[in-house]
Amino acid sequence: NAGVTQTPKFRVLKTGQSMTLLCAQDMNHEYMYWYRQDPGMGLRLIHYSVGEGTTAKGEVPDGYNVSRLKKQNFLLGLESAAPSQTSVYFCASKPEPGQGKWINQPQHFGDGTRLSIL
Amino acid sequence: QKEVEQDPGPLSVPEGAIVSLNCTYSNSAFQYFMWYRQYSRKGPELLMYTYSSGNKEDGRFTAQVDKSSKYISLFIRDSQPSDSATYLCAMSASWAGKSTFGDGTTLTVKP
Repeated sequence: NAGVTQTPKFRVLKTGQSMTLLCAQDMNHEYMYWYRQDPGMGLRLIHYSVGEGTTAKGEVPDGYNVSRLKKQNFLLGLESAAPSQTSVYFCASKPEPGQGKWINQPQHFGDGTRLSIL
Repeated sequence: QKEVEQDPGPLSVPEGAIVSLNCTYSNSAFQYFMWYRQYSRKGPELLMYTYSSGNKEDGRFTAQVDKSSKYISLFIRDSQPSDSATYLCAMSASWAGKSTFGDGTTLTVKP
């Protein structure tokens, strides 16, 4: 049981390039989230999904797009990378209330993707 | 003003000390209160989770929520060097909705 897996773990991009970050969870969780974490700051929500085929904007959605074509995967895309998007990106998943041990585990995080944009 | 304010730290304590970590918030709609521990270059892991007000204890960790004061705390008893990490508070108004995080407090427990 791998939990939440993020791919890649590290990436360096040039300004203007595009890329997709992949998040995969094997816990059959309904809800998935993309956050970014900058030095000395907490996590800020970029986009989230409350089920397969649905997405919604978070606090800082500009410059990012997402897709949830399959329940287990949540993709984060940068269409035209900018230096301000240099950050550590975390994906998280959460079960529906009543699904498994939700009371004790409201959110599981991956180990992050470290992205630098030059 | 941020919705969630966390005592900035950093904190440095000797092994065995009691540690108090605190957050205040302004959104009265918050119902779910979480504390996460984050080791360097790792994702946050859930330590404690409380719904609405009250106290919750799990081993050396106690979480307190005072909704009337919009204040939450995490206490760590008999702190250990392995507790050295960044601690993040987080809150949300609904189960599926977004969680709002504090900026984190970095704790160092010295042997």
